[in-house]
Amino acid sequence: AQSVTQLDSHVSVSEGTPVLLRCNYSSSYSPSLFWYVQHPNKGLQLLLKYTSAATLVKGINGFEAEFKKSETSFHLTKPSAHMSDAAEYFCVVSFPYNNNDMRFGAGTRLTVKP
Amino acid sequence: DSGVTQTPKHLITATGQRVTLRCSPRSGDLSVYWYQQSLDQGLQFLIQYYNGEERAKGNILERFSAQQFPDLHSELNLSSLELGDSALYFCASSPTRVPVPGELFFGEGSRLTVL
Repeated sequence: AQSVTQLDSHVSVSEGTPVLLRCNYSSSYSPSLFWYVQHPNKGLQLLLKYTSAATLVKGINGFEAEFKKSETSFHLTKPSAHMSDAAEYFCVVSFPYNNNDMRFGAGTRLTVKP
Repeated sequence: DSGVTQTPKHLITATGQRVTLRCSPRSGDLSVYWYQQSLDQGLQFLIQYYNGEERAKGNILERFSAQQFPDLHSELNLSSLELGDSALYFCASSPTRVPVPGELFFGEGSRLTVL
């Protein structure tokens, strides 16, 4: 079965500390993986994407994610959180062998404390 | 700014009513996607149109319908509204028939509240 799971519905960090948002997927084939960010009252914006090139992907605003096939994970990280990072983050899986069907995770709300 | 425009931004209506949500895709994009985001269901794909024709269908209720017009804007019609239809409805657009990974551009959504 094809699915994507975000392991935390809510993550709270202090400003300046590292961020880790976890995502696992289930697929019989190698999928394409993405992270989107949704700021309050805004649409979803692409943060970064993995499409079978380098396994460590760098995105906007200092975020990066590492594709680990053995762990079927695509966790999102950032070394130092800013207040402006507070938002909802969605892990998305796309299945190229199935017309690029996209599945969205349930989302992780990131809170950044001063 | 993604270039995708949705109207209205907010809508409050009563159960049993019908509403229409509108989406203008980015200039040149032929595909339009509709998504529903609710607290309990997360982000759910509803339907995709490509160049005026329905291309893919997701978890769209029979009370809901959509269309894409010759100028490529799209409308999502929600009828016989129920309390559970309260949600944020997103439109997204892309240039191709088959979604290119990561090339989906989202509008800011239309928040529907059914009382």
